[in-house]
Amino acid sequence: GAVVSQHPSWVICKSGTSVKIECRSLDFQATTMFWYRQFPKQSLMLMATSNEGSKATYEQGVEKDKFLINHASLTLSTLTVTSAHPEDSSFYICSARDPGGPNEQFFGPGTRLTVL
Amino acid sequence: AQSVTQLGSHVSVSEGALVLLRCNYSSSVPPYLFWYVQYPNQGLQLLLKYTTGATLVKGINGFEAEFKKSETSFHLTKPSAHMSDAAEYFCAVSDSGNTPLVFGKGTRLSVIA
Repeated sequence: GAVVSQHPSWVICKSGTSVKIECRSLDFQATTMFWYRQFPKQSLMLMATSNEGSKATYEQGVEKDKFLINHASLTLSTLTVTSAHPEDSSFYICSARDPGGPNEQFFGPGTRLTVL
Repeated sequence: AQSVTQLGSHVSVSEGALVLLRCNYSSSVPPYLFWYVQYPNQGLQLLLKYTTGATLVKGINGFEAEFKKSETSFHLTKPSAHMSDAAEYFCAVSDSGNTPLVFGKGTRLSVIA
């Protein structure tokens, strides 16, 4: 199946700093990618839909100025957590669908963010 | 709007026993239904999916699920649990392959030796 990677797999940062997380589709082009957030022992919540070449669509309650999404190419979407605070600590997961493949989304392995 | 309800946040079974994880959905259009498994600190792995066609879907690791439209259910089963099946399981729904998934709250499966 199609492969989606994320980098880094884990990151620890100080409060007030910004962190960039990359999501790449390795063997297909993805016009749309999705970013989810998962708190410990909870389900995945959609944060935003990332569209190649256009602005991301954010879910209600998600601060677009805090969670900057850039989908600069058909294989890369980035999520930047700006001025991170401890409450932003979470597991961030991206997904993408291969337009030429089966009707399913492929998930990245996730990025564990810890803000001190 | 779509939604998913997973009955039971934690299910415990003995090794070799039947596994049954329940999922009910609501959708205003024919749904695409998925089951994913997540091991600690890892991403999601697709177990199986229903899009169209046969309502009994077989997936990896011996799991299967049956789409029952009249019951709006998509329960996950496995005839004989293995220790390696202990994980978190998520049911999800979407209205196509290119729209975001709506996840249930998850069910943690424990397997007792």
